[in-house]
Amino acid sequence: AQRVTQPEKLLSVFKGAPVELKCNYSYSGSPELFWYVQYSRQRLQLLLRHISRESIKGFTADLNKGETSFHLKKPFAQEEDSAMYYCALSEGGSQGNLIFGKGTKLSVKP
Amino acid sequence: GAGVSQSPSNKVTEKGKDVELRCDPISGHTALYWYRQRLGQGLEFLIYFQGNSAPDKSGLPSDRFSAERTGESVSTLTIQRTQQEDSAVYLCASSLSRDEKLFFGSGTQLSVL
Repeated sequence: AQRVTQPEKLLSVFKGAPVELKCNYSYSGSPELFWYVQYSRQRLQLLLRHISRESIKGFTADLNKGETSFHLKKPFAQEEDSAMYYCALSEGGSQGNLIFGKGTKLSVKP
Repeated sequence: GAGVSQSPSNKVTEKGKDVELRCDPISGHTALYWYRQRLGQGLEFLIYFQGNSAPDKSGLPSDRFSAERTGESVSTLTIQRTQQEDSAVYLCASSLSRDEKLFFGSGTQLSVL
C-alpha cells in the first residue's frame, strides 16, 4: 500500500543553518510528490511539486526513485520558515486522492 | 471567490448527535477533497470528488461518515451518531483538476463531548 513517512516530528535549527526535512514514500508506480506547508494561523498551501523542478522560497526537493525519497532542503534557514511541513504523494493515473505524511514541525531559532 | 470556504469554523456537539460540515470550493474547481486531522496527527484522506465521476470513498472510516457534492459546487460531510474519537479538524480542499495543486479551506474544528 502507498505510504508517506516523515520520520521527524520536530526539527529545530538556528537561523542561517542548512535544513533538510526528510520524506520517504512507498509506492510501486510512478508517483507525483509534493510538499505542503502550513504557517502559524494560515491555511495549508502548496510549497512545491517534483514535476515543476522549481525552487520556492529557497527550498528545493529532488525525487530519488532509487531511495524512494523526496527530501526538502534549504541551504540557509530563515526564522520565517518556521512552520509545519507535509510531504504528500499522488498516485497518478485515474486515482485521485493525495496521501499525506504526518508532518514535520520546523522551528528556526534566531 | 476568495478561496475555499468552510462552515462552521467551530462545532461543539454531544456524543450521539449528527453533524453536517459544509465546504464551498473555488468556482470552477472540479476536484474536491475532504481530510481529517486529529490532534498531533497528519492529514487523513476521507473522500474525493472529481466532476461527475463516482467519488472515491476509500478513506471514510465508518458508515457513520458520508459526503455529497452537488455538481461541481458545494459539498457536505455528514457524521452520524458522533463519537468522541471523531473530534478533529476537518479540512476541505479543491483543485482545478486532479493533477493541479490543492487549495485548502481553513477547516472546521469539531469537538464531540
